[in-house]
Amino acid sequence: EADIYQTPRYLVIGTGKKITLECSQTMGHDKMYWYQQDPGMELHLIHYSYGVNSTEKGDLSSESTVSRIRTEHFPLTLESARPSHTSQYLCASMAGTEAFFGQGTRLTVV
Amino acid sequence: ELKVEQNPLFLSMQEGKNYTIYCNYSTTSDRLYWYRQDPGKSLESLFVLLSNGAVKQEGRLMASLDTKARLSTLHITAAVHDLSATYFCAVAHNNNDMRFGAGTRLTVKP
Repeated sequence: EADIYQTPRYLVIGTGKKITLECSQTMGHDKMYWYQQDPGMELHLIHYSYGVNSTEKGDLSSESTVSRIRTEHFPLTLESARPSHTSQYLCASMAGTEAFFGQGTRLTVV
Repeated sequence: ELKVEQNPLFLSMQEGKNYTIYCNYSTTSDRLYWYRQDPGKSLESLFVLLSNGAVKQEGRLMASLDTKARLSTLHITAAVHDLSATYFCAVAHNNNDMRFGAGTRLTVKP
């Protein structure tokens, strides 16, 4: 069983609010990822990290930011939420060839 | 730029029938993943394929990889209703992250 956790699972928030989506893993993995997925659609990589103090942007342009101060923690922040940010956000970590996904955060911006 | 294409995108099958989902990718990669996703859920890892000619089977699902053709297949044998889900292939990119196909939405009808 993979030990990667995302909170909150569901979030409804008003436009303009600042939010942070949490992702934690207890497996000591260096590589961590954030994907954005609209319902039933493909996953788009928005941020990734190779380890502490390493962060990179993915292919999908995103108004979010990430940080990696500790190996186990990779939070994603939206400074000013907009309805276009409504989506599911999936966090993953990888060791060797295997990737583990969190349960996801379903975000709705109203 | 790595592109991953799956087909078909939608598949409706009768129980007991066989079918194959295809995943093509555009640049060399040494890893290919198959995931299953149920509605509103996260991704469940099905297979990791690491070498040319690799074949893995789990229950009614069998995955194969042809790195020369840049093609992977997911074969479904004698489909049952419980296999209804969305299936994603993902390809390792620059050995650091995964790029996903658009997904195949499978419905198995009695």
